[in-house]
Parts: sequence; C-alpha cells; structure tokens
Amino acid sequence: DAGVIQSPRHEVTEMGQEVTLRCKPISGHNSLFWYRQTMMRGLELLIYFNNNVPIDDSGMPEDRFSAKMPNASFSTLKIQPSEPRDSAVYFCASSLQGSFLDSRPSYEQYFGPGTRLTVT
Amino acid sequence: SQQGEEDPQALSIQEGENATMNCSYKTSINNLQWYRQNSGRGLVHLILIRSNEREKHSGRLRVTLDTSKKSSSLLITASRAADTASYFCATGATGRRALTFGSGTRLQVQP
Repeated sequence: DAGVIQSPRHEVTEMGQEVTLRCKPISGHNSLFWYRQTMMRGLELLIYFNNNVPIDDSGMPEDRFSAKMPNASFSTLKIQPSEPRDSAVYFCASSLQGSFLDSRPSYEQYFGPGTRLTVT
Repeated sequence: SQQGEEDPQALSIQEGENATMNCSYKTSINNLQWYRQNSGRGLVHLILIRSNEREKHSGRLRVTLDTSKKSSSLLITASRAADTASYFCATGATGRRALTFGSGTRLQVQP
C-alpha cells in the first residue's frame, strides 16, 4: 500500500500566484481531510469530504481557499491568490469511516507526507 | 480552537526512562487518539481509546482515559532515541467525523 500521496512536496511561489496542492487518498478510504500546520496555530482542519462530498468547510480561512474531490482517488486544495500568511505545511489524510449510525464515527486517520508551501 | 491540550509542551528524558504525556479536552468525546509526528513528516496513528474504555496497551504504549476529568495520558515505557518526535492527542465526537487535534508534546529522548 502506497499510503496517502501528496504533491508537490515543496512549493515556493510569489504572493498573488495560484497554488494547487494535490492528494491521492488510500484506496478504499471514504473520507478525506485537509489540514494546515504552523508553529503559531498548530494543526488546523480546513475541510473534510465523505464519499467525495464536502461535509465541513468551516475551517477554510477565506474565499481564497477552495477544495474539490472530483472522485474517490483525487482531491485538490487551491489557494488563489496566495499570500505570505498562507505559508505552512499542508497535510492530507484519509480514513475509512462507518456510517453516521455507527457508534464509532471517528476512525484513525492516515496522513500524507505533507506539502511545505512558502509564499514570498 | 484546539480541543485537546497536551502537557507538557516539551519533555526531555534519557533513553530507557519512561515518558508520560497528558491531554485535556473540553467537550464530550466518542474516542481519543494519539498520533506521533517525526520532524518533517506526516502524523502517524498510534492508538485509539473509546470513551467507554479506561486503559489500553499497545507494545510499549499505555493510554489511559478519564472521562470524568476529561483527560488522557500516554505513557511510553523504556524510551528509545527513535521515540523522539511530537505527540498529539486528537478527540472524536459523536456526529462529527473530523478529529480535533491538540497542540502536541515535543519529546526528546537522549541516547
């Protein structure tokens, strides 16, 4: 199993440019999560999908951020336009979740290696 | 805001010693999980304990959960230099698929 795959691993861009981060979850997992990690704010949940449908995007900082999951094996997180304060490590994680009727709605998550984004 | 708050923020011990990290949370949970993050890497799941469990073991790891105090502890016995990492607790709540992560404890194990 290749695990969660993220690309690129490192991204350096100038302020105002569009940035697209990519994630391939573990095959068979039905939930996908995007996180952002900084020294100041720690690990923040940005958005998560269940069966390709966005469930909670309340963590998305502002309209400059958007995320899509066109199919079960691919998701993107886009920042347009990017700003220096967006500099962080962005993680994608996937999980196999039961139904909402399941008494254990939260399962272990499998994280990708992250994308280190630097906006100058 | 982070639901889980780890204590201490940083811990330095000698190889062979035990390391104990604590996590406190604020709201009702369904389960609590611990993750490890090595420098420059993603988080790795270590152990999950459900709200109706009080203690769980996995190898050199021992996790306790006290729902009345809204707290959990992670004990790593006979620590090794390879245990050097940041450790995060994460809470799951009924009806919410996403986990809420704490701020982490940075563990340094001196060889």
